[in-house]
Amino acid sequence: KNEVEQSPQNLTAQEGEFITINCSYSVGISALHWLQQHPGGGIVSLFMLSSGKKKHGRLIATINIQEKHSSLHITASHPRDSAVYICAVRRMDSNYQLIWGAGTKLIIKP
Amino acid sequence: NAGVTQTPKFQVLKTGQSMTLQCAQDMNHNSMYWYRQDPGMGLRLIYYSASEGTTDKGEVPNGYNVSRLNKREFSLRLESAAPSQTSVYFCACSELLLRSSNSPLHFGNGTRLTVT
Repeated sequence: KNEVEQSPQNLTAQEGEFITINCSYSVGISALHWLQQHPGGGIVSLFMLSSGKKKHGRLIATINIQEKHSSLHITASHPRDSAVYICAVRRMDSNYQLIWGAGTKLIIKP
Repeated sequence: NAGVTQTPKFQVLKTGQSMTLQCAQDMNHNSMYWYRQDPGMGLRLIYYSASEGTTDKGEVPNGYNVSRLNKREFSLRLESAAPSQTSVYFCACSELLLRSSNSPLHFGNGTRLTVT
């Protein structure tokens, strides 16, 4: 079993829909990252969080440390949000190692 | 600012050939990383450099070597390429060695390598 599991693997939605992508992990962590990989391949860091909730524009990330679960939400989704969203966790016992999820491929149709 | 620049963007090698992937960052960050990304898998860390003058193995170092030439540059070398090294390679940097929750990763645009 992978230590970081994302769901769903693929998601197709209509423009304007509320999107939720989930990330569950099985190790002790000190932080969790959400990143976005564009169709062209570039990877951009969206959020890092160790507790609670963060918001940036239409993106909201939450984490529940007790339940070892995080969600990334996109409100009022737009075709330009189409990308692969990746969750990665920083192990509590490591200064450098991130464990990466396999990603969720999101397609927003106009 | 360019951020993190990787060269080349694409490369095709024959089995046994060697090459060096270049990475440079202008963010004055201490730590740099090389990852590979394969279909259906998460990124895997090949090597990292916590600071200028130090390098350490990651999860999948076999078949690779690295050089942290100075604070800006971190290169990845394949001495004898194998088809299993066909992948997309990403260089990244962070201000600190991910120790702080305020140290995001900044990625280059990737190098798509095919070994035939």
